[in-house]
Amino acid sequence: KNQVEQSPQSLIILEGKNCTLQCNYTVSPFSNLRWYKQDTGRGPVSLTIMTFSENTKSNGRYTATLDADTKQSSLHITASQLSDSASYICVVSVDWGGGADGLTFGKGTHLIIQP
Amino acid sequence: GAGVSQSPSNKVTEKGKDVELRCDPISGHTALYWYRQSLGQGLEFLIYFQGNSAPDKSGLPSDRFSAERTGGSVSTLTIQRTQQEDSAVYLCASRLTGGQLNTEAFFGQGTRLTVV
Repeated sequence: KNQVEQSPQSLIILEGKNCTLQCNYTVSPFSNLRWYKQDTGRGPVSLTIMTFSENTKSNGRYTATLDADTKQSSLHITASQLSDSASYICVVSVDWGGGADGLTFGKGTHLIIQP
Repeated sequence: GAGVSQSPSNKVTEKGKDVELRCDPISGHTALYWYRQSLGQGLEFLIYFQGNSAPDKSGLPSDRFSAERTGGSVSTLTIQRTQQEDSAVYLCASRLTGGQLNTEAFFGQGTRLTVV
């Protein structure tokens, strides 16, 4: 069964500190992996997307890594800001080559940045 | 429209009533997903439409839930005889596929359903 596991479930850090969120998946055949940010009361918004051949991708203070061999990804947030408080969701996509595909979502990591 | 639009944004209904939730995907997006997010929980897959193919209904929690997508565009999620455990935010997402890989899924703002 395709699964995406995220850790930690929740995290509280002080403003200005760095943090790393983890995502492990068993989805196969793998197509790509996305990290989404979901602010409270809003829909998720994509931060990064990585394919099988990409090891790292940055979006401002967000840096995602991917190890397709171990099926692990991480999202590193540098110099956290209060606006980073949100849920971060890891999403893995399967492609069957014909255009039809499915998305498997992790349950997310709830991040709280304290001043 | 510019993004995925969902309506209503909030819905309060009495237990036992039927509700309809609407999703207008981004024009031209062939894939459409419905998810449910209970308070403090992750996204729970409900149903997936891809073009004219038969939908993947594997995530629907019971036969009280159904969804349709007319003309390959607008989708309606219907919940019959609502129960209090149906209270959640229902999110819709659309995506451009049809052979194009690695495209992003865009989410609507969701419909917050409260069953009292």
